[in-house]
Amino acid sequence: DTGVSQDPRHKITKRGQNVTFRCDPISEHNRLYWYRQTLGQGPEFLTYFQNEAQLEKSRLLSDRFSAERPKGSFSTLEIQRTEQGDSAMYLCASSLWTSGGTDTQYFGPGTRLTVL
Amino acid sequence: AQRVTQPEKLLSVFKGAPVELKCNYSYSGSPELFWYVQYSRQRLQLLLRHISRESIKGFTADLNKGETSFHLKKPFAQEEDSAMYYCALGVRIQGAQKLVFGQGTRLTINP
Repeated sequence: DTGVSQDPRHKITKRGQNVTFRCDPISEHNRLYWYRQTLGQGPEFLTYFQNEAQLEKSRLLSDRFSAERPKGSFSTLEIQRTEQGDSAMYLCASSLWTSGGTDTQYFGPGTRLTVL
Repeated sequence: AQRVTQPEKLLSVFKGAPVELKCNYSYSGSPELFWYVQYSRQRLQLLLRHISRESIKGFTADLNKGETSFHLKKPFAQEEDSAMYYCALGVRIQGAQKLVFGQGTRLTINP
């Protein structure tokens, strides 16, 4: 499968624990996005990387959240001191930007986080 | 404010009947609109985008800037069209584009 992959697919944790998710974009895609989706809602933008640079962060991304994309390949999203309100599906998307291209975002299967 | 509204959470039609999923947006910039679809147990995938002006799987959508709408239509629904449909607005950020999604409409096609 050459699509966007995410690991783990499911994570159950206790309140106050730290969790880390990984996203592997489509090979050679230079842009990577993180979204969060809660029950009954559409995905909401969290942050965006152009290669290894994090260029945009949503106000939804509190200081307990940190994202990295070392070397411009895979990305990690870490949540420290998890709260029950962090329970959601975390989606990763990647796109290939080229001059004159369409920059379509391709989504991964998501990581479902449950905070007890 | 950037907002996408899909007024119907659920929509149920019979096979062969026309389908229209409504989407309205609010955006001060030049809008770029998308429809994404999520079939059961599959990932979110792009169905169509307004700048392409193409028909995918028999679906079409026309951007109406006067009414700030981007409704998705299909003249004859098929059972395999049953899925979750999200309308999304592309908003410019730092040279790229983030997607602002509506809450989605679950479409069920009855045999």
